[in-house]
Amino acid sequence: GAVVSQHPSRVICKSGTSVKIECRSLDFQATTMFWYRQFPKQSLMLMATSNEGSKATYEQGVEKDKFLINHASLTLSTLTVTSAHPEDSSFYICSVRGGWETQYFGPGTRLLVL
Amino acid sequence: AQTVTQSQPEMSVQEAETVTLSCTYDTSESNYYLFWYKQPPSRQMILVIRQEAYKQQNATENRFSVNFQKAAKSFSLKISDSQLGDTAMYFCAFMKANRDDKIIFGKGTRLHILP
Repeated sequence: GAVVSQHPSRVICKSGTSVKIECRSLDFQATTMFWYRQFPKQSLMLMATSNEGSKATYEQGVEKDKFLINHASLTLSTLTVTSAHPEDSSFYICSVRGGWETQYFGPGTRLLVL
Repeated sequence: AQTVTQSQPEMSVQEAETVTLSCTYDTSESNYYLFWYKQPPSRQMILVIRQEAYKQQNATENRFSVNFQKAAKSFSLKISDSQLGDTAMYFCAFMKANRDDKIIFGKGTRLHILP
């Protein structure tokens, strides 16, 4: 498998500020990472596919200028929520496409925007 | 487009019993992968079991096994000798056999194991 970490695990910020969430693949070089958003008691919603060295591919309805994704290396992808608002409060999860054609998930980041 | 349907929003069983979670999917692809993921209260997504569509043999991982019916597009998960630690949200998921393709999740089944 692949071991994936996320930082921070939880963050509280004021409305209008930007928040950066890091996703690291600790033991696997990942050309592709995925970012999901999960509302309480709901399934995971794919936001974007992060590609190392190129632009991310966003799902329909996801604002790419609001959710900036950078995949600068084979082990790190970042998601920046710009000008955060209370409706951006959610649980954000990243995943890595590891061996055996399987996705392995980070522990998630809980974002609360006040 | 691919879809994954989990028809049981919530289930409860007694500890040590066997429980089966249902999942159906729709696709026109011939080669793909199917997964069951578990999300306990910690919210960490954990891979439970995976199945390659080209394999007829049902996957098994200790107390977890699947009943994969390709023609019926059905992929159920059986948990034997259920334990309290099995309490979690279970997601069925589909992925095309493409190197960088995305996973499509069902809406999940919340499973409660009762002492």
